[in-house]
Amino acid sequence: GESVGLHLPTLSVQEGDNSIINCAYSNSASDYFIWYKQESGKGPQFIIDIRSNMDKRQGQRVTVLLNKTVKHLSLQIAATQPGDSAVYFCAENTSGYSTLTFGKGTMLLVSP
Amino acid sequence: GAGVSQSPSNKVTEKGKDVELRCDPISGHTALYWYRQSLGQGLEFLIYFQGNSAPDKSGLPSDRFSAERTGGSVSTLTIQRTQQEDSAVYLCASSLARGNEQFFGPGTRLTVL
Repeated sequence: GESVGLHLPTLSVQEGDNSIINCAYSNSASDYFIWYKQESGKGPQFIIDIRSNMDKRQGQRVTVLLNKTVKHLSLQIAATQPGDSAVYFCAENTSGYSTLTFGKGTMLLVSP
Repeated sequence: GAGVSQSPSNKVTEKGKDVELRCDPISGHTALYWYRQSLGQGLEFLIYFQGNSAPDKSGLPSDRFSAERTGGSVSTLTIQRTQQEDSAVYLCASSLARGNEQFFGPGTRLTVL
């Protein structure tokens, strides 16, 4: 989603629910995508990645879906826990380029 | 093993002063990145080092910002004549090589009064 000024888009869920966080990317040449989790006062932490030759990749309780046609990436978290509360960033990279381009982030709030 | 470390964790300085921020990457990681994160915002790329190659400085916002990496390991980011708009969290990351997963340090929170 888009951020407006200092206000991050926020997703509020109940503990145990499944969460879906979405990200739209702009560069059709991007071929590597990463989801990061950032807890308050800490640096971003790698969650899961996916390359453009795949459309789905699963990890422990997390799944990343890639739709290259509409340039959309999503992160699904199963059985969300209070410890999942954080800001989640998607990032994209293009082969031959040195840097990741980060999205604005989505705040996930999990209520017990 | 040890992750990426940064120092100091917090830095408060007066407008016009110079500051130096330090990053110790993961041993053996050839790529090192600096990012800036303003309150409630995403990460803004600043500079990238890869081995002994010339750094990619395309993200530095002004000539008051510079960085160096000595011996292919430790890096320092220097901000000269700091301004209030420089206040942000400065994050360092390293990776085994370009295009690989980046591991982030905890950041340095810079406040310019």
